Amino acid sequence: EVQLVQSGAEVKKPGESLKISCKASGYRFTAYWIGWVRQMPGKGLEWMGIIYPGDSDTRYSPSFQGQVTISVDTSISTAYLQWSSLKASDIAIYYCALEYSSSSGVFDYWGRGTLITVSS
Amino acid sequence: EIVMTQSPATLSVSPGERVTLSCRASQSVSSDLAWYQQKPGQVPRLLIYSASTRATGIPARFSGSGSGTEFTLTISSLQSEDFAVYYCQQYDNWPRTFGQGTKVEIK
Repeated sequence: EVQLVQSGAEVKKPGESLKISCKASGYRFTAYWIGWVRQMPGKGLEWMGIIYPGDSDTRYSPSFQGQVTISVDTSISTAYLQWSSLKASDIAIYYCALEYSSSSGVFDYWGRGTLITVSS
Repeated sequence: EIVMTQSPATLSVSPGERVTLSCRASQSVSSDLAWYQQKPGQVPRLLIYSASTRATGIPARFSGSGSGTEFTLTISSLQSEDFAVYYCQQYDNWPRTFGQGTKVEIK
């Protein structure tokens, strides 16, 4: 069974760094693109970026390029999303999602989301 | 970047009614279009991909159509569990992009 288990909610201060995780299981981790989606409070879904664990090919939305870093550790089948300096505007739920069975480009498995709160 | 525009923003519907949601792309995305459903407090769920193919386990009352720049999601007879926000997403070009969503609420 395919599963994406995300790390828990975080409360951070502006300017702090953060790395959240998404541990995958139930499939060959290196063979499928895994991405990140932001949902700000009361707002819609925003496609942030995606990585192919097989060769670490990474694509970012221009809106998020330079603001976050997506990476993987294939030894533990885990994808990461990290910030070097958080802002109040980073408050959101962040979902990891997998392009697996339906079609390339489509997220058919989702993690439960990680809520990030940034407050001084 | 391809901009996806959904209409209407909100749709007030009675159970049992037929519902049609629209999604327009700023340039052609061929048939590389997916629809997702998100209920309050829940994770998005894939409904439709390749514009018209239902994902695994999705009821037949959900159907998708269109190609190029104009797409439609139809719910043939709205059930109580279908009240949610629906998003379209193109995956023809990088970056992938979502529409802003259509909320289907109880009339």
